[in-house]
Amino acid sequence: DQQVKQNSPSLSVQEGRISILNCDYTNSMFDYFLWYKKYPAEGPTFLISISSIKDKNEDGRFTVFLNKSAKHLSLHIVPSQPGDSAVYFCAASAPGTYKYIFGTGTRLKVLA
Amino acid sequence: GAGVSQSPRYKVAKRGQDVALRCDPISGHVSLFWYQQALGQGPEFLTYFQNEAQLDKSGLPSDRFFAERPEGSVSTLKIQRTQQEDSAVYLCASSQGVLAGVGSYNEQFFGPGTRLTVL
Repeated sequence: DQQVKQNSPSLSVQEGRISILNCDYTNSMFDYFLWYKKYPAEGPTFLISISSIKDKNEDGRFTVFLNKSAKHLSLHIVPSQPGDSAVYFCAASAPGTYKYIFGTGTRLKVLA
Repeated sequence: GAGVSQSPRYKVAKRGQDVALRCDPISGHVSLFWYQQALGQGPEFLTYFQNEAQLDKSGLPSDRFFAERPEGSVSTLKIQRTQQEDSAVYLCASSQGVLAGVGSYNEQFFGPGTRLTVL
């Protein structure tokens, strides 16, 4: 049972345009959500997070939106840069727990 | 400062061999996690240590998998009698805190992983 789903395995975007990566979850207990970025042969690195008490969190070119009623979050990258090309994982956790549940990832390719 | 390191980075094993994968977490980090990442999938939780105590091993796929962290720092994931389905990247992560959630204290830092290929 996949509690965190990323239905788009890949996405290609032109440099300078907006990249939108989507994530859906099924567990209504989740209250904290993160995006990790992974380059080949490296471990995932933390990118941005959002608590369920918010619906938006922004950090430079990266913004995460949370729609609790739809159990959906998205990551917006504006403007996209070739260095953003990587696999992006969405992850979630429930209160009082220690582990993250990861989605299957979306491979973003930003074309120069 | 040094991040999470893992060794070896690549391991090829013949089916039936035993393997040991090492994780050096960030110094002082209380929590240590092992994840398995199959090709085209996200990291899947295997086991969790808080200091030397293994508090959760619910994700270990079989009794061939064993993990330890005897002194609360370095951890070893051992796989006995490896099978082809064990082929994956094994990721280790550590954090200062003991809960997932808000705050850099709880952020999980990942190592580069060990890619295990079982022939």
